[in-house]
Amino acid sequence: QVYLVESGGGVVQPGRSLRISCAASGFDSSSHGMHWVRQGPGKGLEWVAVIWSDGSKTYYADSVRGRFVISRDTSKNTLYLQMNTVRAEDTGVYYCARDRSDGSYGGDYWGQGTLVTVSS
Amino acid sequence: DIQMTQSPSSLSASVGDRVTITCRASQSINHYVNWYQQRPGKAPTLLIYAASTLHAGVPSRFSASGYGTDFTLTITSLQPEDFATYYCQQTYSIPPVTFGGGTKVEIK
Repeated sequence: QVYLVESGGGVVQPGRSLRISCAASGFDSSSHGMHWVRQGPGKGLEWVAVIWSDGSKTYYADSVRGRFVISRDTSKNTLYLQMNTVRAEDTGVYYCARDRSDGSYGGDYWGQGTLVTVSS
Repeated sequence: DIQMTQSPSSLSASVGDRVTITCRASQSINHYVNWYQQRPGKAPTLLIYAASTLHAGVPSRFSASGYGTDFTLTITSLQPEDFATYYCQQTYSIPPVTFGGGTKVEIK
């Protein structure tokens, strides 16, 4: 059974940093790419970033490139999103999702999400 | 970036109805389309991948088709648990992965 559990969300002031995590279990995390997808209040889904299964590639949405960093620790089966210089528009629920394959096929299993609120 | 345009943005239907949702890509994306269901307050779940392949455990009343730029998701005999928002997603051209705007299926 695939399990993904996000953590680390909370209230953060504009311009500050926050790191959220996604603990994975039930599958070989080195065989799958991983995505972060977010959803603003009352809005649709917005893809944020992906890391390839072997860690060789990372890609970002234009809205976060240069501010956010996706990474993974395969020894801990954990995915991270380092969020720097956050803005009000970064507020939302952040989901991690396992890619069907290397990172180029989209998410097949998703976590329950962690809420990030950017506010002073 | 490839734009994914879903229609309608919302619809009202009754239990037992047949529902069709469409998604149009701004350029050809072969079969690189996924469909997701999101119930209120819950995470999205995968219904269909590669345009027409049912994900494990998804009921057979869900089906999808399409290739190139035009794609459809069909729910035959709508059930109470199917009232949710549905999203299409393209993974043909990364980055970025892009989603459609969503279709909210409501109870008539």
